[in-house]
Amino acid sequence: EIVLTQSPGTLSLSPGERATLSCRASQSVSSSYLAWYQQKPGQAPRLLIYGASSRATGIPDRFSGSGSGTDFTLTISRLEPEDFAVYYCQQYGSSPGLTFGGGTKVEIK
Amino acid sequence: QLQLQESGPGLVKPSETLSLTCTVSGGSISSSSYYWGWIRQPPGKGLEWIGSIYYSGSTYYNPSLKSRVTISVDTSKNQFSLKLSSVTAADTAVYYCARHRRWIAAAPLGWFDPWGQGTLVTVSS
Repeated sequence: EIVLTQSPGTLSLSPGERATLSCRASQSVSSSYLAWYQQKPGQAPRLLIYGASSRATGIPDRFSGSGSGTDFTLTISRLEPEDFAVYYCQQYGSSPGLTFGGGTKVEIK
Repeated sequence: QLQLQESGPGLVKPSETLSLTCTVSGGSISSSSYYWGWIRQPPGKGLEWIGSIYYSGSTYYNPSLKSRVTISVDTSKNQFSLKLSSVTAADTAVYYCARHRRWIAAAPLGWFDPWGQGTLVTVSS
């Protein structure tokens, strides 16, 4: 099973700042088969990124994904008030044993 | 627009079987491009994939839960269902259903989009 470790656990930033979230895999993720999700309190997760860098339908271009192998990054170029949430990565390169990271909370500083 | 809705008891006794159904609307569950999955989230914790099913009935399960999980599909009702047996307090969680992108042969399961709103299931006597 591929273990995904997200860091930091909590990121305290102000609106307008840049957020950089990390997702590190315990072994290489095949062909960058990695997705990112956003979850707000009391809501279901929402797909942001798949294939490590492809934005899902309707996702603003301030969200971008990058990385390969074992190191992946989600970047939010300029934080909007609605972006403060928890973010999860998920790998599907070793499916059917697909796994999620533990999450990074982006909070208002 | 595709929507998914979970339904089932919110309280299950220890050692019993948890049963949930996901109803898909706005699209067909018989699409060749998708599996249909269950994911859970214990209160205040992260996400755990439970398993996924194709409209033909082909299934994949999380190895850690495989011995207790059964997922089935009813294409006539556009629904799929989850059964988790021998539950304990550790199975208390919000259970989500989601459309699961079918990917390549070497990695058949992809990403989840969209998700249902989720339903809280508490295991307690």
